[in-house]
Amino acid sequence: EPEVTQTPSHQVTQMGQEVILRCVPISNHLYFYWYRQILGQKVEFLVSFYNNEISEKSEIFDDQFSVERPDGSNFTLKIRSTKLEDSAMYFCASSESASFYNEQFFGPGTRLTVL
Amino acid sequence: LAKTTQPISMDSYEGQEVNITCSHNNIATNDYITWYQQFPSQGPRFIIQGYKTKVTNEVASLFIPADRKSSTLSLPRVSLSDTAVYYCLVVTGGGNKLTFGTGTQLKVEL
Repeated sequence: EPEVTQTPSHQVTQMGQEVILRCVPISNHLYFYWYRQILGQKVEFLVSFYNNEISEKSEIFDDQFSVERPDGSNFTLKIRSTKLEDSAMYFCASSESASFYNEQFFGPGTRLTVL
Repeated sequence: LAKTTQPISMDSYEGQEVNITCSHNNIATNDYITWYQQFPSQGPRFIIQGYKTKVTNEVASLFIPADRKSSTLSLPRVSLSDTAVYYCLVVTGGGNKLTFGTGTQLKVEL
């Protein structure tokens, strides 16, 4: 069964450093998303991406965040200058189409720890 | 976007049927009801989606009354491995963000 993969599984960084979280969505999917989940809290939407551009972003997704699809398979989330409060699980997801059947497939997540 | 309300937690025993009810009073005509499951330290996983009446798949059933202001996820004969958080979401079309609430923590015991 096809699945979304994410690397690394765990990233530790110092405050102020840049991090790039990587995702490989399911190959025939067209819509890509990033969500995050701070420990013990809700899963929060960050950004959605379609046709090589951001289609929607949340208030969390400020200028410190950016997304990119550098090639035909990878989808990345960059945090330019990490803060302590960026520590969370980051989930990438993808979905096939814009039909009403909006099943999003989530990856296993990257645990980001900012020290 | 319609707000959803579901119980914070539920307890059950192996082999029992579990029904988790969600209310979504302000659901719009174009909205679908979707349920996701999440295990600790894993990404959410789609369980089932429906618009009205009853939908069944190999994992669960979803019951939606005619007014669509609530829905019930039914898990037949749960096992320990069904211990997870279950989220009820209202979604509008494809390609759109998912808005997660706090979900229902289901604990299944022997």
